[in-house]
Amino acid sequence: AAGVIQSPRHLIKEKRETATLKCYPIPRHDTVYWYQQGPGQDPQFLISFYEKMQSDKGSIPDRFSAQQFSDYHSELNMSSLELGDSALYFCASSPTRNTIYFGEGSWLTVV
Amino acid sequence: QQQVKQSPQSLIVQKGGISIINCAYENTAFDYFPWYQQFPGKGPALLIAIRPDVSEKKEGRFTISFNKSAKQFSLHIMDSQPGDSATYFCAASTTSGTYKYIFGTGTRLKVLA
Repeated sequence: AAGVIQSPRHLIKEKRETATLKCYPIPRHDTVYWYQQGPGQDPQFLISFYEKMQSDKGSIPDRFSAQQFSDYHSELNMSSLELGDSALYFCASSPTRNTIYFGEGSWLTVV
Repeated sequence: QQQVKQSPQSLIVQKGGISIINCAYENTAFDYFPWYQQFPGKGPALLIAIRPDVSEKKEGRFTISFNKSAKQFSLHIMDSQPGDSATYFCAASTTSGTYKYIFGTGTRLKVLA
């Protein structure tokens, strides 16, 4: 079965640089979520999109932005990177108000 | 403020034993309670989930017990195996309003061979 696809899997950036993470949801899932998970932490909700419109916003820094495109893929853009942004970033998708399925995550290391 | 409180933080169980992880929540609007299993460097994978209209759900060696009045739910892993060693997260969501999961803080389970 198709799963949530994330790219890149690993990314190393320097402080103050910009990073972009991509997510391809499971086909026919209409909702996409972004979560951030620090080392030893639980996943923290950042933002979600329903049918390409932002539906909810969590603890996403102003330096971060995201969008969902016409083909339903989503991108998380992170600018002015800080050391504290180093984390595992998960994209997830779900059918309307149903079980959420997570991708394998993108490791971001800021040096 | 942690909306979903999970305990214990870590758990060591002998092979064949029962692993029990507990979660408590405050928001009575929560109406869907999944459990996720996460291996290091991997995404959380759905294990089992329950809605508040039932008090227990069993799938293989995994059982969720749900106490609506106490606003608590727990995961029981019967006949625990070394391959069950992972981090387990409970979560809660509401199907009304905006839909997202609020996760507990996680329990790192180690099953000794």
